[in-house]
Amino acid sequence: AQSVAQPEDQVKVAEGNPLTVKCTYSVSGNPYLFWYVQYPNRGLQFLLKYITGDNLVKGSYGFEAEFNKSQTSFHLKKPSALVSDSALYFCAVSGSGGYQKVTFGTGTKLQVIP
Amino acid sequence: SQTIHQWPATLVQPVGSPLSLECTVEGTSNPNLYWYRQAAGRGLQLLFYSVGIGQISSEVPQNLSASRPQDRQFILSSKKLLLSDSGFYLCAWGRRSYEQYFGPGTRLTVT
Repeated sequence: AQSVAQPEDQVKVAEGNPLTVKCTYSVSGNPYLFWYVQYPNRGLQFLLKYITGDNLVKGSYGFEAEFNKSQTSFHLKKPSALVSDSALYFCAVSGSGGYQKVTFGTGTKLQVIP
Repeated sequence: SQTIHQWPATLVQPVGSPLSLECTVEGTSNPNLYWYRQAAGRGLQLLFYSVGIGQISSEVPQNLSASRPQDRQFILSSKKLLLSDSGFYLCAWGRRSYEQYFGPGTRLTVT
């Protein structure tokens, strides 16, 4: 069975500092990996994905993520955090090939302090 | 571009009453469609998914059912709501195993 772990329930970072939100996964075969962001009382918004190719993936709003196959990780990063980045972030994984169910992590609350 | 709609945005229903939540997608055809429930603003629970008209897969046995009467319409229903059905319901669409696009959600409170 596939799974996703987001080990940090909450991350706090000062505005202007770099941020990292951690994610590790387990899946059979090659993974498809995703990051989503959710603002209060809103649906999830897709940020970025890794399907194949370059291990460093760039996405919306200046976010990027690095796929590390040996560590089975897909950490979300941003060089300089904004207060408006404060939200709930979800990592997700699915298997490749045909239709595969997507498994979401439990979410990490990011708080950017002015 | 594609758009996904959900309604209503909020709903307060008494225990034992029926439920119908609707989701529609515009700007795409034959999407995969999903219903999720999010409790306490955290983890997502996949309730149902559909890969085509009339094709519904249930992930969790429960008090809810889903139907897909048209290609871009997905309905979540219940005949009798329970207190435990309260939550934030999210509809999403996607293709194969790729990213999903979520609607704005429906906040359901069962009293």
